[in-house]
Amino acid sequence: DGGITQSPKYLFRKEGQNVTLSCEQNLNHDAMYWYRQDPGQGLRLIYYSQIVNDFQKGDIAEGYSVSREKKESFPLTVTSAQKNPTAFYLCASSIAGTSNGYTFGSGTRLTVV
Amino acid sequence: GENVEQHPSTLSVQEGDSAVIKCTYSDSASNYFPWYKQELGKRPQLIIDIRSNVGEKKDQRIAVTLNKTAKHFSLHITETQPEDSAVYFCAASSMNRDDKIIFGKGTRLHILP
Repeated sequence: DGGITQSPKYLFRKEGQNVTLSCEQNLNHDAMYWYRQDPGQGLRLIYYSQIVNDFQKGDIAEGYSVSREKKESFPLTVTSAQKNPTAFYLCASSIAGTSNGYTFGSGTRLTVV
Repeated sequence: GENVEQHPSTLSVQEGDSAVIKCTYSDSASNYFPWYKQELGKRPQLIIDIRSNVGEKKDQRIAVTLNKTAKHFSLHITETQPEDSAVYFCAASSMNRDDKIIFGKGTRLHILP
């Protein structure tokens, strides 16, 4: 998976439940990102982190939470406060400040049932 | 914050013809402009990028142009082939400020036989 692994690939959630999406990278990248992809909406930034123990909100952070306790890991929790969580979630990483673009994970498709 | 507009949303071209996708951005501080290709069900892949100190960059059949004054940049694909069918995303980032990349909404490119 090119050094960045997302799991699970498919996830089903009942309404009112919190779920956590995993993202792990072994590229020694400083920065990690979470995007949400909906048809016709492109990729919208949820949260990002440029260094361990620090993260910032993106454009659509409401209803989501993250942590960055280790450089390799940036899990995303979709809380019950997220009104429309069904989407394709992409994690990415990069070397901070090098303008080399992102490496993306293969994504997690979350469906609320 | 940065806003990236991308046109057209859908583009159909005959195999062998050229395809052009255009994007505009709003933040004059943006200095890095990557393009990603996403095939159905797969992760986005970086295909080419350009930095603000360059007006044009070419890689085989793919070229990108940047007009900083007008805040627009374009992707040109020549001699299109069936494997070029995909969704293409333009994006912009200010690597001097933070590394987050803001994406356009995507262009679905169909190569017609």
